[in-house]
Amino acid sequence: GAVVSQHPSWVICKSGTSVKIECRSLDFQATTMFWYRQFPKQSLMLMATSNEGSKATYEQGVEKDKFLINHASLTLSTLTVTSAHPEDSSFYICSARDTVANYGYTFGSGTRLTVV
Amino acid sequence: GQQVMQIPQYQHVQEGEDFTTYCNSSTTLSNIQWYKQRPGGHPVFLIQLVKSGEVKKQKRLTFQFGEAKKNSSLHITATQTTDVGTYFCAGDFNKFYFGSGTKLNVKP
Repeated sequence: GAVVSQHPSWVICKSGTSVKIECRSLDFQATTMFWYRQFPKQSLMLMATSNEGSKATYEQGVEKDKFLINHASLTLSTLTVTSAHPEDSSFYICSARDTVANYGYTFGSGTRLTVV
Repeated sequence: GQQVMQIPQYQHVQEGEDFTTYCNSSTTLSNIQWYKQRPGGHPVFLIQLVKSGEVKKQKRLTFQFGEAKKNSSLHITATQTTDVGTYFCAGDFNKFYFGSGTKLNVKP
């Protein structure tokens, strides 16, 4: 089945630094990937749609300069949290869909970000 | 923005009892998907419903899509402790928006 790999699974960083999270589709090509954020005991909130070869589409209220998304190839999207602050601490998760297999969206294992 | 409402927020059942979670959208959906997230884990795809009035079954799980394609339900018959987790629906508005989820706890 479709596999999405997300790295790192957890990261602790200092306030003011930047953190990059990678999302890879391992056995299929994904022209579109999605980035979600999940606070404890809450649902997944769509942050942005990552489009291969073009600019990402951000949801209302999500700062594009804070959450930089790059989708340079058909198998890799990255999310960079710039100048991280403690309130950015959250669970970030990506998803993609193998449109050839017409399967549901596959999620990465998520990244637990803690900003201290 | 687009919203998918999901109820109940929590459900505690005794093992062997049935469980149902409901999703509702104010606008017609092209399709709806259901996911299960175990504590500490990531969402895992369960099923996609596309057709009006569609009913699909996976062992003890029954998924329904309403005739108007605005609501959906997931019913689990005779719950087991392995069913513990949070069940999310996700509505397709050309990108998926998740319901708030229903956290299921099953007491042995």
